[in-house]
Amino acid sequence: QVQLKESGPGLVQPSETLSLTCTVSGFSLTSYSVSWVRQPSGKGPEWMGRMWYDGDTAYNSALKSRLSISRDTSKNQVFLKMNSLQTDDTGTYYCTRDVLLQWDYYVMDAWGQGASVTVSS
Amino acid sequence: DVVLTQTPVAQPVTLGDQASISCRSSQSLVHSNGNTYLEWYLQKPGQSPQLLIYKVSNRFSGVPDRFIGSGSGSDFTLKISRVEPEDLGVYYCFQATHDPNTFGAGTKLELK
Repeated sequence: QVQLKESGPGLVQPSETLSLTCTVSGFSLTSYSVSWVRQPSGKGPEWMGRMWYDGDTAYNSALKSRLSISRDTSKNQVFLKMNSLQTDDTGTYYCTRDVLLQWDYYVMDAWGQGASVTVSS
Repeated sequence: DVVLTQTPVAQPVTLGDQASISCRSSQSLVHSNGNTYLEWYLQKPGQSPQLLIYKVSNRFSGVPDRFIGSGSGSDFTLKISRVEPEDLGVYYCFQATHDPNTFGAGTKLELK
């Protein structure tokens, strides 16, 4: 059974760094890619970036200067770090499994339950 | 970035009726390889989004055939025939043609 679970601090101070962990089960990080998606309360989601199955990364250009995604395959974990947090970074952060449907085309077929993050002093 | 504009913002429906949601893109979603990477997701209350439709009109595994995606270029529609209680929630379109990939702001399907 495919499962993803996000974890991390619920509250982050402005200007500080957010660190989140996505722990997966039911699939291998060396066979599937994992994306991070965030959703401000009451708004549409935003794709943030991806850890490819081969260890490469891709980032949303709007966040690239602040964002880093890494992984530990031995622990089945993918990590997100984003610095210089501001109040508009508040929202729910999801990790997703990305499955290859056709050549070079991936879809997000499984999502974690999400981790709520509030940026406030 | 590509902007996806969804209308209406809210769609009141009666169970058993048909519902229609529009998604318009600020530029064509036809990729240089000829494919159009437009997807639809449903976020039920208190849940994470789930994939319904990919590449405009293809239903993902397990999605009922009452969900019908259509459109081309920059104009797309999701139709839900015979709305059932489990179809209520917020629908998002998503484009994976251009970098960065972007979501629409959502359409809430709710009971009249």
